[in-house]
Amino acid sequence: GIQVEQSPPDLILQEGANSTLRCNFSDSVNNLQWFHQNPWGQLINLFYIPSGTKQNGRLSATTVATERYSLLYISSSQTTDSGVYFCAVNSQGGSEKLVFGKGTKLTVNP
Amino acid sequence: DTEVTQTPKHLVMGMTNKKSLKCEQHMGHRAMYWYKQKAKKPPELMFVYSYEKLSINESVPSRFSPECPNSSLLNLHLHALQPEDSALYLCASSQAIRLYEQYFGPGTRLTVT
Repeated sequence: GIQVEQSPPDLILQEGANSTLRCNFSDSVNNLQWFHQNPWGQLINLFYIPSGTKQNGRLSATTVATERYSLLYISSSQTTDSGVYFCAVNSQGGSEKLVFGKGTKLTVNP
Repeated sequence: DTEVTQTPKHLVMGMTNKKSLKCEQHMGHRAMYWYKQKAKKPPELMFVYSYEKLSINESVPSRFSPECPNSSLLNLHLHALQPEDSALYLCASSQAIRLYEQYFGPGTRLTVT
């Protein structure tokens, strides 16, 4: 099945700093989503981005499908950005299953 | 509105109990999902329903029994669970399977004693 690797596994920032999270995947995809899981467990949709670039406020994402990676950019980070960021994909040739990476745990200190 | 609701928020049950988790969405989505998430791990798919029919069962033990009574509701019936089944159970929905964005509920945190 498709493999999804996220890096870095852990990231600690000071408030106001910028960061880039990476997601590599091993096969062509027809669905790629970025989620933020808050400390209470809620998975919040950030982007649905199987290809191209999108922006939403301080967050933006780029997926280069031909090179099988996606990047999530967080600018001017805030303490509320803390949590785990997951990339999840659905393989073009595979089943309906959404496969998650192991996540990046982000801690933003005041 | 992109809301998926789940009840209860927390559940503590003994190994001989029978309980049910409930999930509801009113977005007109025709695909619904159950995921299980252990601490410090990503969510893992358990079941997929498409147009109220079971589409995927990821080899889940029979002590977990899903049910989709209509297009808005998804239940997970629990019976004779083990302590290792303690986890966060997440429900999700999407317009259809595969090509569409999945939206997640807040989850039910289950503890089996």
